[in-house]
Amino acid sequence: SAVISQKPSRDICQRGTSLTIQCQVDSQVTMMFWYRQQPGQSLTLIATANQGSEATYESGFVIDKFPISRPNLTFSTLTVSNMSPEDSSIYLCSVREAGANVLTFGAGSRLTVL
Amino acid sequence: GQQVMQIPQYQHVQEGEDFTTYCNSSTTLSNIQWYKQRPGGHPVFLIQLVKSGEVKKQKRLTFQFGEAKKNSSLHITATQTTDVGTYFCAGRGSARQLTFGSGTQLTVLP
Repeated sequence: SAVISQKPSRDICQRGTSLTIQCQVDSQVTMMFWYRQQPGQSLTLIATANQGSEATYESGFVIDKFPISRPNLTFSTLTVSNMSPEDSSIYLCSVREAGANVLTFGAGSRLTVL
Repeated sequence: GQQVMQIPQYQHVQEGEDFTTYCNSSTTLSNIQWYKQRPGGHPVFLIQLVKSGEVKKQKRLTFQFGEAKKNSSLHITATQTTDVGTYFCAGRGSARQLTFGSGTQLTVLP
């Protein structure tokens, strides 16, 4: 299965700042997704990162707050903008490889906003 | 929208005891997947069930998909400390969206 490198693995940020998380996959994948996992909670899909076009956001998530880029089939970024303490969470990149119906997750980026 | 609930939310067992987590969907599913997340780790795929009434085994783990394809269970026989973690089901409905359950956090006491 695909190997995903996600960075940063963790960061502590100040309120009002923005942070960009990077996701690099070792092979070309059709589908890339960004999930959020708040402490002790389940996984919530933020958006599907579409190669060469705007991401598809789920209800409750907007592009101004979580801009996503996907310039090619192996790389994507998620930016958490104008952060507040409520954005403290783990952000996970995941991929679904062609012909497979399951998700492979990156190690996650643990974000703490003070 | 589709909702996937899991019970129990937490389970503490003595090493060697059995463990079961149950997953229920508000809608009929095309398939259901199970993932395990170790403490401090990320979710890792365990198995996928597709057919009504399907039962699959992985060593001490038994996965079952309900006849109506709206519920599923994961049973672990004779738990070990390596089984510690949170187990998530994830159901795929007609909209092709994968919805994760709320998870069951398993603690195994030595």
